[in-house]
This record gives sequence, C-alpha cells and structure tokens, in this order.
Amino acid sequence: KQEVTQIPAALSVPEGENLVLNCSFTDSAIYNLQWFRQDPGKGLTSLLLIQSSQREQTSGRLNASLDKSSGRSTLYIAASQPGDSATYLCAVEGGVAGGGNKLTFGTGTQLKVEL
Amino acid sequence: EPEVTQTPSHQVTQMGQEVILRCVPISNHLYFYWYRQILGQKVEFLVSFYNNEISEKSEIFDDQFSVERPDGSNFTLKIRSTKLEDSAMYFCASSVWEGPYNEQFFGPGTRLTVL
Repeated sequence: KQEVTQIPAALSVPEGENLVLNCSFTDSAIYNLQWFRQDPGKGLTSLLLIQSSQREQTSGRLNASLDKSSGRSTLYIAASQPGDSATYLCAVEGGVAGGGNKLTFGTGTQLKVEL
Repeated sequence: EPEVTQTPSHQVTQMGQEVILRCVPISNHLYFYWYRQILGQKVEFLVSFYNNEISEKSEIFDDQFSVERPDGSNFTLKIRSTKLEDSAMYFCASSVWEGPYNEQFFGPGTRLTVL
C-alpha cells in the first residue's frame, strides 16, 4: 500500500527566503506526482505535475524535482511571499499509463511566510 | 479558464438522511473522481469513473455510496444513509488523458456536516 509522507509538517519563514518542502513515498512504481496548494477551507489548486520519467518541472518561482528510485520529491519555492502562505500537498499517481488512476496524498506542509 | 464546480458549498443533514453532492467537471474531461478530507486528515480517494462505469473504488466507498453521470455535464455522489463519520469535505476532480499526462483538477469542495 502506497504511503506518502511530507516533512516538515509546518514551516514559518520570513518573506524573501528560498525554501524546500519534502515528500517521500514508499512504492516507487508511480506514474506521475502532483504538487497542490490548499488554502484554508478551500479546494486544491494543482501547481506542478512531474511524470515518472522526468527529473524536474518548473513553473514561475516553483521548481519540483523527482527521484523516483529513492521515492522522493522536493518542491522548491524561490523568493517566498506572504501570498505563498498555504498548505502544500504532494500526491502520487499509481496504476498504469492512462487516465483514471487514483492519487495518494501526503498530510501536507503548512507554510507561513511572514512580512 | 475552465474549472470544476461543485454544489452546494455546505450541506448540513441529519444522520440517516440521503444526500447528493453535485459536480460539473471540466467540459472536455473524460475521467472523474471523488475524494474526501476529514478535518485535520489526509485527502482520501473514494472512486474514479470513466465511460459511465466505476474504474476503481476504495474501501471507504461501500454500498452506502454511489456515483452517477445523469447527463452530459453533471457528476454526482450519493450517500444513501449518512453517518456521523461521513462528515468531511468532499472534492470532485476531473482529468483528460493526454498521454502521458493525467493531471487532475479539483473543485472547491462541498463541506458535509452530519448531525
């Protein structure tokens, strides 16, 4: 059974700092990995998707890396801003190539960026 | 930009009552999902649906749950006889297989409170 763990559980940083969020998963037979952002009481916003064959993916100030063999992914946020404050979730997609595969989520990292 | 929508945003019901949660997936998407998040816990997969059939379901998705695509736009989750432990945020998601990507997009959620 796939287990996804995220550390740290919470993180507080001053504005402008670069930071790294970590995600690990127990079964390396994944198809894709997605990073999401969740604001309090809200839905999930997809940030990045990395295919299992890729090493990294970038979107603006966000860079996600994937080391499938060791079961790890990191989300790097550059020059953090107060608007980045949210919970960041990592989710892995198992199954076979194609649609309809379920995502298994981690517990998230709650980020607070202070002025 | 197209998005997944869900109604209602908050549903309060009495234990034992039936509830129907509604979702409108992104129009060209073919795969549909329901997930739930109990307060303070991980997001959990419930069911995936493709071509008018359930593709996969979790242990949580027992006989009390059912899904339906009653027309070309809506996707519903029915809970036949609600229990206190069904109180959670329910998220609908959709995706389109664009090999090899299966990025899932989530709606804002329906908060279900069972009294």
